[in-house]
Amino acid sequence: GQNIDQPTEMTATEGAIVQINCTYQTSGFNGLFWYQQHAGEAPTFLSYNVLDGLEEKGRFSSFLSRSKGYSYLLLKELQMKDSASYLCAVRDGDYKLSFGAGTTVTVRA
Amino acid sequence: ETGVTQTPRHLVMGMTNKKSLKCEQHLGHNAMYWYKQSAKKPLELMFVYSLEERVENNSVPSRFSPECPNSSHLFLHLHTLQPEDSALYLCASSQDPGDGANVLTFGAGSRLTVL
Repeated sequence: GQNIDQPTEMTATEGAIVQINCTYQTSGFNGLFWYQQHAGEAPTFLSYNVLDGLEEKGRFSSFLSRSKGYSYLLLKELQMKDSASYLCAVRDGDYKLSFGAGTTVTVRA
Repeated sequence: ETGVTQTPRHLVMGMTNKKSLKCEQHLGHNAMYWYKQSAKKPLELMFVYSLEERVENNSVPSRFSPECPNSSHLFLHLHTLQPEDSALYLCASSQDPGDGANVLTFGAGSRLTVL
């Protein structure tokens, strides 16, 4: 079966940096995704990693190590609007995208 | 309308009712998906349609019945549900399901409560 683990909750202060870790054990690997989901809204795509290394996109960066089954999402210069759930997902086949339970990030003033 | 639209946004039904959830995508995508999202649990893939053909059925109970009449519309027909089926049902679409970098675009979901 698929096993994708990420912390349940994290709290940080506005302007700070938060790193959300994700570890996975899946039957195959065809890419890792991060999605953001605000309460009551649709999950929205943040980043995609298929090769080892860091992908940077503005205030958000995502890192992947395939040998360690590990990824992280780095949120810099936190803003109140970054309070949301962050979902780690692994594509382990053509169609199947398996998700972690999500990490709820709360940004405090 | 843009993106992926789901209706209704909220639905309350009894265990003996029959209802349907509707999803429409305006992105010209070729694949559509149903996911179930329960509190504090990972999203669970239920069904995948690619070019209107069902390509994945993830051991979902028969009380959930999908229908994909064309590449823009997806339905989830519900009958004799159980209280544990109460959840947020998310629809998604994507361009090319065979591409590893294939990004899913989600709708805002239909919040279902079974009494």
